[in-house]
Amino acid sequence: SQKIEQNSEALNIQEGKTATLTCNYTNYSPAYLQWYRQDPGRGPVFLLLIRENEKEKRKERLKVTFDTTLKQSLFHITASQPADSATYLCALPNEKLTFGTGTRLTIIP
Amino acid sequence: GAVVSQHPSRVICKSGTSVKIECRSLDFQATTMFWYRQFPKQSLMLMATSNEGSKATYEQGVEKDKFLINHASLTLSTLTVTSAHPEDSSFYICSELASSTDTQYFGPGTRLTVL
Repeated sequence: SQKIEQNSEALNIQEGKTATLTCNYTNYSPAYLQWYRQDPGRGPVFLLLIRENEKEKRKERLKVTFDTTLKQSLFHITASQPADSATYLCALPNEKLTFGTGTRLTIIP
Repeated sequence: GAVVSQHPSRVICKSGTSVKIECRSLDFQATTMFWYRQFPKQSLMLMATSNEGSKATYEQGVEKDKFLINHASLTLSTLTVTSAHPEDSSFYICSELASSTDTQYFGPGTRLTVL
């Protein structure tokens, strides 16, 4: 069956360091992959979309990679700040958009 | 990105009552909107796809008679939880699809608590 795994439920990173979150999927061949940020009690906010023919995409301090051979996406936040603390969700299209369970990132001052 | 609003943001109701949640697209016409439910520490689960002017498409296991969806205009979709029970307590989130970019824009969510 198809599965999306974000293998860290929670991640603590020191302020200023790079935070790296992982999204692995099985039995999918998605045309693209998305990353969202969700703050407590709020709806998700779209961050980045990366397509299958793109290896890497950047937006300000964010960088996403997409390895269709490994079936994995990495999400990096460089020069992390306490304001980056949130839950980050990856999502893949499969007739509908399916979300991973998320990684709760905490940036420690 | 697109702007989506939801109303109310929080609602507390007694068991057996019905609750209506509104989802509005504020800056473009959305032919397709989605309704999700999220339980604590879990991911978003799609409940149904709301199509303007036609019947909603419900996901497996979601009771269409309990969760009534109406998408009467290109800017408004409503979800009515009928005869709510405590197990319906959850965070309900709508989204609209920007098909040109394959991106969904989410509303701020509605926290429903059924006593």
